[in-house]
Amino acid sequence: EPEVTQTPSHQVTQMGQEVILRCVPISNHLYFYWYRQILGQKVEFLVSFYNNEISEKSEIFDDQFSVERPDGSNFTLKIRSTKLEDSAMYFCASRREAGGFEETQYFGPGTRLLVL
Amino acid sequence: GEDVEQSLFLSVREGDSSVINCTYTDSSSTYLYWYKQEPGAGLQLLTYIFSNMDMKQDQRLTVLLNKKDKHLSLRIADTQTGDSAIYFCADHSNSGYALNFGKGTSLLVTP
Repeated sequence: EPEVTQTPSHQVTQMGQEVILRCVPISNHLYFYWYRQILGQKVEFLVSFYNNEISEKSEIFDDQFSVERPDGSNFTLKIRSTKLEDSAMYFCASRREAGGFEETQYFGPGTRLLVL
Repeated sequence: GEDVEQSLFLSVREGDSSVINCTYTDSSSTYLYWYKQEPGAGLQLLTYIFSNMDMKQDQRLTVLLNKKDKHLSLRIADTQTGDSAIYFCADHSNSGYALNFGKGTSLLVTP
C-alpha cells in the first residue's frame, strides 16, 4: 500500500542552525501538508501546498519557515534559524485532488526535531 | 476549527468496549474525524462522520455525533491489545482543508 515517508526520523540541531525536513508524498497526490506536535500538546497545522504554491498557512508558519517541492517527488520544510521552541514532531501529509472533505489526508511517521 | 478537546487517558480491559469522547466548538464543522497513532507511526485515519449524520458504524467502530452538544464519541467494541494507541479527534479549520486536532486520548488495553 502506498505510504508517505519522511526523513530523517530524528534530528538534533543547535539553536540558530537551519534544518530541512524531507517528505515523499504518495505519488498521485496533489495536496501536501506539514503539521507539528510539540510534546504534550495537540497536533497543529503549519501549511498546505498545491500546484507549487502555498494554499493555506497558520500563524505558526512565519518567515522562518518555507516549503518547497524541488523535484516532483520530495516535499520539504525548511526552518531557517531554529529556536528551542521549534522542538517538536513534524508530520507531513498528502491528499489526492478530489472534491469533498472526506478525502483522506495520509500522514507520514513524523520527524522528531530536537533543538539544543 | 477552534477548539477540539479530549480526555487524555483511558484504560480498559481486553474484550471490553472503549468509548473515547471529544468536544468541539466550531458549529460549522462539516466533517469530523478519528485518527489513530501507534507508537513510532504516523496518523492513520480510522473513520469520519458527516455532520448531518448521528451515527456511523464500521465493524468494531461506532461513531456517535451529537451536533447540538458538539460532542463526538468513538466506541471500540471488543477492544484488543492491538488497539492500544493514541486516538485523535479532528475537524476542519475554518478556512479550508487543514485539520484541527485535539490533544489525543491514550488508550491502554490491559489483558
